[in-house]
Amino acid sequence: DTEVTQTPKHLVMGMTNKKSLKCEQHMGHRAMYWYKQKAKKPPELMFVYSYEKLSINESVPSRFSPECPNSSLLNLHLHALQPEDSALYLCASSQRLAGGMNTQYFGPGTRLTVL
Amino acid sequence: SQELEQSPQSLIVQEGKNLTINCTSSKTLYGLYWYKQKYGEGLIFLMMLQKGGEEKSHEKITAKLDEKKQQSSLHITASQPSHAGIYLCGADHRGSRLTFGEGTQLTVNP
Repeated sequence: DTEVTQTPKHLVMGMTNKKSLKCEQHMGHRAMYWYKQKAKKPPELMFVYSYEKLSINESVPSRFSPECPNSSLLNLHLHALQPEDSALYLCASSQRLAGGMNTQYFGPGTRLTVL
Repeated sequence: SQELEQSPQSLIVQEGKNLTINCTSSKTLYGLYWYKQKYGEGLIFLMMLQKGGEEKSHEKITAKLDEKKQQSSLHITASQPSHAGIYLCGADHRGSRLTFGEGTQLTVNP
């Protein structure tokens, strides 16, 4: 089973709202990732967690706040977003961060629209 | 990403035709991944290549890695409408992250 689930599938929020995206995997993977994808562009890495610790932050604005409460769950908390943050947000997981076990499996994504 | 050049950008073929998509890296490759994406959906993992000369197949899709040229090709035989989508290559350049190409939009006309 290589399933990564993401909720919600779609989200519309105002610039003053606070919302969260959720990602879950039960494959025993210890690395989890958040990507942002704009239309007709490849995914851009935002954050990487390894063994529930933040390993990589690609200089993402503080209005995006990741959280990894346990090895199966990854959240992305959103606050005071801008319309340009509208995008498809993808979660992925891999067995490990590197060392030949880093094939990433992606979830279906959350389509976020900021009004 | 300029580290990873993917070609062509888009491809329109008639059902039943063969096609090839290329991915060239400007840096040393430690792994090359192929994914497929339908618009607005997640990426589906197709294949991973690590060793020079390695070739893998899944149904009618074959991927090869040319280590000397730092290049990978994805070949689809007898294309079908179900093959339509965006094909993305991703490179492991030993930085604990994947670098993606810009993608190839494939349309298969019945």
